[in-house]
Amino acid sequence: TQLLEQSPQFLSIQEGENLTVYCNSSSVFSSLQWYRQEPGEGPVLLVTVVTGGEVKKLKRLTFQFGDARKDSSLHITAAQPGDTGLYLCAGPTNTGNQFYFGTGTSLTVIP
Amino acid sequence: DAGVIQSPRHEVTEMGQEVTLRCKPISGHDYLFWYRQTMMRGLELLIYFNNNVPIDDSGMPEDRFSAKMPNASFSTLKIQPSEPRDSAVYFCASSKDRGRQNSWNEQFFGPGTRLTVL
Repeated sequence: TQLLEQSPQFLSIQEGENLTVYCNSSSVFSSLQWYRQEPGEGPVLLVTVVTGGEVKKLKRLTFQFGDARKDSSLHITAAQPGDTGLYLCAGPTNTGNQFYFGTGTSLTVIP
Repeated sequence: DAGVIQSPRHEVTEMGQEVTLRCKPISGHDYLFWYRQTMMRGLELLIYFNNNVPIDDSGMPEDRFSAKMPNASFSTLKIQPSEPRDSAVYFCASSKDRGRQNSWNEQFFGPGTRLTVL
C-alpha cells in the first residue's frame, strides 16, 4: 500500500484539453511537492505547497493543497505536447523523517 | 554548474555479483538521497545522508544493500549479492538543506542508473 495514491494512473488527452491529477493520502503531510519526470531523466520539481488550502499557479498549471493537508491536485489548462511526462506528488509526513513519492500519473498529450 | 552525476548509466550483471553505484552530489548540498524506481513500486526512498552521516535507512530493503558517503562529494550504493528483483532505476538526489521544519527543500535528481540483474 502506497502512502500517496495518485489518480488517474494513465491519462491520454488531445492538445488543448484540460485535465486534473489527484494525490490523496490518509496521512497528514507537512508539505507537498509536485515533480515532473521525463523518460530517461530524474524528476524535476514544479512546485511546493506548504499551507492547507494553498493554491499556486505556474503558467497553465494550478496546484492546490487540501485544507486538511491530506490531498493535493494539479490542474493543467489547455494541455500541450510539452506537458507529456510522469507527474509525481511527494512530501514528508508530519510525524517522521521519511519522504514519500506518489504512485505517479503518466500524461500523454497528443498533438 | 554540473548537476548530480551518477555512474554508470547502465549496468547489466548476473545474479550473485556485487554491484556498486556511484553518485556525486551538487557542490554545497548538505543532503544526499538514494531512490529506487520500478513500475510496481514507483519511486522509493532507500536512504539519505546529512553532512555525510546516514539519517534514515529504513527504506533499504535488505542487508544486501549498503550505502556510504565517505565525503561531501561522493556516495556509493552497493548491492551484494545482487538478485533479479533488484533490477530497477536507481536515482541519487541532493538538496541544499531540509528547509524549515518539515518542509523539505527541492531535491535535484541525477539521470539515474538502470540496473539489470540477469
